[in-house]
Amino acid sequence: ETGVTQSPTHLIKTRGQQVTLRCSSQSGHNTVSWYQQALGQGPQFIFQYYREEENGRGNFPPRFSGLQFPNYSSELNVNALELDDSALYLCASSLESAEWGDTQYFGPGTRLTVL
Amino acid sequence: AQKVTQAQTEISVVEKEDVTLDCVYETRDTTYYLFWYKQPPSGELVFLIRRNSFDEQNEISGRYSWNFQKSTSSFNFTITASQVVDSAVYFCALSGDTGRRALTFGSGTRLQVQP
Repeated sequence: ETGVTQSPTHLIKTRGQQVTLRCSSQSGHNTVSWYQQALGQGPQFIFQYYREEENGRGNFPPRFSGLQFPNYSSELNVNALELDDSALYLCASSLESAEWGDTQYFGPGTRLTVL
Repeated sequence: AQKVTQAQTEISVVEKEDVTLDCVYETRDTTYYLFWYKQPPSGELVFLIRRNSFDEQNEISGRYSWNFQKSTSSFNFTITASQVVDSAVYFCALSGDTGRRALTFGSGTRLQVQP
């Protein structure tokens, strides 16, 4: 069974640039969630995708956007990068079912540094 | 609104000691799920356990045990006979009916196990 993978591992950008992070879900999973984890804090929910549509969103501005593809992989796009966007971005996959509390399994994360 | 509090920022123990990590949660939902994740220095969040709000039965898995008390809104985690490999940041998380797609995390407890 293949776990959740993310790319790239590390990324350095400058303020104002745009970035795309990628995630491949665990085999058999159809839902992807994205989280932002600032240094020394717990992860914060950005949004979730199910069947290629956004299925819930946290308190993040519209410059954070995403996509989910037919193979359930996903992208997180951040426009107009700010210094505070520097964080570990975590992707998690789960299997959407009638039981909504399904466990989310996380990838290794992408460390984004904005200079 | 949901909230998870992990009051212990950092705990240091000597190998073979038992250690308990505290988690207190707040939610208005009658149905919810509680989780514990481990985050080693590599950064990947590793799922440990999931418990739903209707199941207050405590659980033991090897050296790990969990104590869920709905009356005090607590979901504590105990490691028996700690080992150096247990050193990590541990997160307690909650998903409730109203924010059903998102995990709300605590701020984490850093556990250092000294040899």
